Amino acid sequence: KQEVTQIPAALSVPEGENLVLNCSFTDSAIYNLQWFRQDPGKGLTSLLLIQSSQREQTSGRLNASLDKSSGRSTLYIAASQPGDSATYLCAVHNQGGKLIFGQGTELSVKP
Amino acid sequence: NAGVTQTPKFRVLKTGQSMTLLCAQDMNHEYMYWYRQDPGMGLRLIHYSVGEGTTAKGEVPDGYNVSRLKKQNFLLGLESAAPSQTSVYFCASSSPMDRSVWNQPQHFGDGTRLSIL
Repeated sequence: KQEVTQIPAALSVPEGENLVLNCSFTDSAIYNLQWFRQDPGKGLTSLLLIQSSQREQTSGRLNASLDKSSGRSTLYIAASQPGDSATYLCAVHNQGGKLIFGQGTELSVKP
Repeated sequence: NAGVTQTPKFRVLKTGQSMTLLCAQDMNHEYMYWYRQDPGMGLRLIHYSVGEGTTAKGEVPDGYNVSRLKKQNFLLGLESAAPSQTSVYFCASSSPMDRSVWNQPQHFGDGTRLSIL
């Protein structure tokens, strides 16, 4: 059974700092891995999707990497801003066609 | 740009009552999903649909039923609500360019907050 783990559960950093969020999964047979952002009381917004054949994806200040063999992904946020404060979730798309989510990392960027 | 719309946004029910949550998407997506989000549990898939008239069970389907009579709508029903079904419910949709792989991001609604007393 696929299990997705995100560490840390919560993170607080000062504005301007670069940071890394971690995601690990137990079954490497995945179609893709997706990173989402969730603001309080809101739904999920897709940030980046990495296909199983890819190593990384970039969007603005965000860079996500994928190492299928070790079951790991990282989300790198450069020059963090208070507006980046949110919960970040990673999810893997199993070959059964279902998204399996981690529990999220709650990020707080202090001005 | 409505995207995925969920109604209602909030609801309080008594144990044993029934209700239906509605999800509507205007992106002509083939696939639709219902998740529940609970503290410490993350999001878990309840049911999903890969096209009009089709539904399938997800990870936690017990106590829920779904219907996909129209491509744009996906209904989640609780026949006899229980306190354990208190949660935030999210609907999502996606449309794979290639039906052999799941390579398109899912788009989420803003959620329905449901409390069962």
